[in-house]
Amino acid sequence: GQNIDQPTEMTATEGAIVQINCTYQTSGFNGLFWYQQHAGEAPTFLSYNVLDGLEEKGRFSSFLSRSKGYSYLLLKELQMKDSASYLCAVRPSNYQLIWGAGTKLIIKP
Amino acid sequence: DSGVTQTPKHLITATGQRVTLRCSPRSGDLSVYWYQQSLDQGLQFLIQYYNGEERAKGNILERFSAQQFPDLHSELNLSSLELGDSALYFCASSPQIADTQYFGPGTRLTVL
Repeated sequence: GQNIDQPTEMTATEGAIVQINCTYQTSGFNGLFWYQQHAGEAPTFLSYNVLDGLEEKGRFSSFLSRSKGYSYLLLKELQMKDSASYLCAVRPSNYQLIWGAGTKLIIKP
Repeated sequence: DSGVTQTPKHLITATGQRVTLRCSPRSGDLSVYWYQQSLDQGLQFLIQYYNGEERAKGNILERFSAQQFPDLHSELNLSSLELGDSALYFCASSPQIADTQYFGPGTRLTVL
């Protein structure tokens, strides 16, 4: 089967750094996405990785290792507004994304 | 603002009823996706359309149906509603089939 695992919940302190991991087992791989979703709102696109390595975008970075079936989202200089769920999604084929259950990130002052 | 619009924003109805949710994709996007998200649950993929044709089906109940019209807007029809159908329903769009998906604000459906 196809499976994506993320921690259910994480807590971090304002101003700190947090790493949210995502491991996947899928039949084929054509890219991995990270989305941010605030409670009751729509998911918003954060990053896309299809090749191994680190992609940096401001305070957010995303890493991919295809051989290990592993990705992480790194958030630096955490702000209270970063409190949200972070969704990892893998595209095993060209049609359908497989979504993780999401990681709820709680930021404390 | 992603450019994807969904109407209505909120919908309250009774069990056994039928409702229609509407989605207009971003300008130029040909692919539309529907998702269901129950309270504190993950996104459940329902169905995908590309340029008017169904391209992929997920965990969509037989009571649910969808279509994409020639102007590329899409409608999701939910019938014989049950309490468990209460959820946020998101529409997303992308330029082509395998591109990044951009989500609309969602329709919150409450079945009483």
